[in-house]
Amino acid sequence: TQLLEQSPQFLSIQEGENLTVYCNSSSVFSSLQWYRQEPGEGPVLLVTVVTGGEVKKLKRLTFQFGDARKDSSLHITAAQPGDTGLYLCAGAQRGSQGNLIFGKGTKLSVKP
Amino acid sequence: GAVVSQHPSRVICKSGTSVKIECRSLDFQATTMFWYRQFPKQSLMLMATSNEGSKATYEQGVEKDKFLINHASLTLSTLTVTSAHPEDSSFYICSARGQTDEKLFFGSGTQLSVL
Repeated sequence: TQLLEQSPQFLSIQEGENLTVYCNSSSVFSSLQWYRQEPGEGPVLLVTVVTGGEVKKLKRLTFQFGDARKDSSLHITAAQPGDTGLYLCAGAQRGSQGNLIFGKGTKLSVKP
Repeated sequence: GAVVSQHPSRVICKSGTSVKIECRSLDFQATTMFWYRQFPKQSLMLMATSNEGSKATYEQGVEKDKFLINHASLTLSTLTVTSAHPEDSSFYICSARGQTDEKLFFGSGTQLSVL
């Protein structure tokens, strides 16, 4: 069974704090995607990382793909209440019909 | 960006009835669509993979006779929950993938409540 371990599962912080979410696997992924999901809605794609060692920035969000393409991290700087949501990492493997392997998600709550 | 439309967004039905959920790719042809189930505060659980013009591939433990999937065209896949029971109550999400892209685009989900 292919697993993508995501941690932490829950995170409650104050506005202005920094945080990092991790996704780790023993499998190699051709790409890894990060999603944010609001209650009652579908996941919204934030970023896709493809190259080992790649770093992408989206305003206060920094995404990194591990050199071996087995792990990834999401770092949020100066979190705001609007960042509250469920963050999901998902890995794609070649030849899998495009199906993604999802992590269990990180429920982030940013308090004002 | 690519858009996937899913409806209804919310449905309440009586136990024993069937419910159909539609998933449409609006501006691209989706050769493959996926159906997921999500419990509160949990991640997405893949139910089945739907390829246009062929039978869906179901994940282990998912009853294919209960969750009927039809992918009749390159822009539409449907999930029918047959003889629904309260334990089928959940959030169902579809996603669609184009022919060459590894990206998946998600529908907005359907909250099914079976009374």
